[in-house]
Amino acid sequence: EVQLLESGGGLVQPGGSLRLSCAASGFTFSNFCISWIRQAPGKGLEWVSVISGSGGAIYYADSVRGRFTISRDNSKNTLFLQMNSLRVEDAAVYFCAKAVSTTSCRHFDYWGQGTRVTVSS
Amino acid sequence: ETVLTQSPATLSLSPGERATLSCRASQSVSSYLAWYQHKPGQAPRLLIYGSSNRATGIPARFSGSGSGTDFTLTISSLEPEDFAVYYCQQRGEWPLTFGGGTKVEIK
Repeated sequence: EVQLLESGGGLVQPGGSLRLSCAASGFTFSNFCISWIRQAPGKGLEWVSVISGSGGAIYYADSVRGRFTISRDNSKNTLFLQMNSLRVEDAAVYFCAKAVSTTSCRHFDYWGQGTRVTVSS
Repeated sequence: ETVLTQSPATLSLSPGERATLSCRASQSVSSYLAWYQHKPGQAPRLLIYGSSNRATGIPARFSGSGSGTDFTLTISSLEPEDFAVYYCQQRGEWPLTFGGGTKVEIK
């Protein structure tokens, strides 16, 4: 059974840092693109970043480029999101999600339950 | 950036009725469009990918169509568990983007 479990969320002050993790199981982790997608309170879904299976291809939304860094450890089946210079508008539930196929990063068939990030002084 | 516009924002229907949700892209995304169902406190659920392919385990009452800039998600006969928010998502070009969502609520 495919499972994705996010952790690392919490309360942080503006300008602070947080590192999110996503532990995966039930599939060959290194074969699949994984993405971070967030949902701010009362808002819709917003794509944040994606990393290819090998880690060789990485993309970011303009809203987080230069502040967030996505990475993965295929030996530990874990995805990370290092978030620096956090802003109030980064507050959201952060989901990790697995790509449908091994050959593209277009759509995502399994999602975790999410981890909540609160940015407030 | 490709902007996805979903309509209507809210759809008020009764169980058993047909639901038709629209997603329009600001530029062609070919057939690289997906639909997700999202309920509060839960993980989003992939329904349709590649415009018309049902994801694993998705009931046949869900169907998707369209290409280029105009796409439709149809739920042929609403079940009680189908009342939720639905998002379209494209990855024709980076960045990947989502529509603003359509809430399907019980009338």
